Amino acid sequence: SQQGEEDPQALSIQEGENATMNCSYKTSINNLQWYRQNSGRGLVHLILIRSNEREKHSGRLRVTLDTSKKSSSLLITASRAADTASYFCATDASNTGTASKLTFGTGTRLQVTL
Amino acid sequence: DAGVIQSPRHEVTEMGQEVTLRCKPISGHDYLFWYRQTMMRGLELLIYFNNNVPIDDSGMPEDRFSAKMPNASFSTLKIQPSEPRDSAVYFCASSSESGRVTYNEQFFGPGTRLTVL
Repeated sequence: SQQGEEDPQALSIQEGENATMNCSYKTSINNLQWYRQNSGRGLVHLILIRSNEREKHSGRLRVTLDTSKKSSSLLITASRAADTASYFCATDASNTGTASKLTFGTGTRLQVTL
Repeated sequence: DAGVIQSPRHEVTEMGQEVTLRCKPISGHDYLFWYRQTMMRGLELLIYFNNNVPIDDSGMPEDRFSAKMPNASFSTLKIQPSEPRDSAVYFCASSSESGRVTYNEQFFGPGTRLTVL
C-alpha cells in the first residue's frame, strides 16, 4: 500500500484563499518531500523537510512535519489559478543518508478558480 | 540543462507487441528511477539504478517488464509482450547524491503515455 495518504483527495478553492493539504505515513522517515504535478506533466519538486525539522517555508509554501503523528501538511497561501495541480507527498524511509527510493502518496487534486 | 528526456511522449500499440520506452537522465545524476502512474494505483516505483546498476526491481510487475541502463546517459524500459493493463503513464526520474548527505530530490521527465489496445 502507499506509504503516504493525502487528505483531502480533492480541494476546490477560490483564488486568494489558502489551501491546506495533509499527508499521513506509516514508517519512520529520513525526510518528506512535496511534489506538484500539472495535468499531463511530470512531477516537480516543491520542498523538502527533514525528520528533525518541524516547519519550513518557501515562498508561498509552508510545510509542517509531526513525526510523532507521522503526518505532514502543505499550506499554499494566497492561491493562484496557476496553483491548480495535483500535489503529492513522498517519503524517504532510508536510514543511511544516501539517495534511495521515495514512496509517493495518493495525491490531492487542487482546483483554484478565479 | 534540458532536464530528463523521455521518448516517445505517446505510444499506441496492440496487445502482444513489444514496447520500448527511453530515458536520458540529467547529466551528472547517478540515480535513475522508472515509475508507472495510473488512476487506480497511483504512482508506483518500478525499478531504480545507481551508477547504471539496478538496485531495486521489486516493483517490476512481472517478467514481461525489463529495464536496462547501458551507460550513465541512457536507460530503457521494455515490455514484451504488452497487454492492455500495461496502459499507463511511465515516468523516468533522476537524482544526484552529493557529498555524504543527500536528500534525493528527484527530477522527473514529462512521461510516456502508453496505450495498449
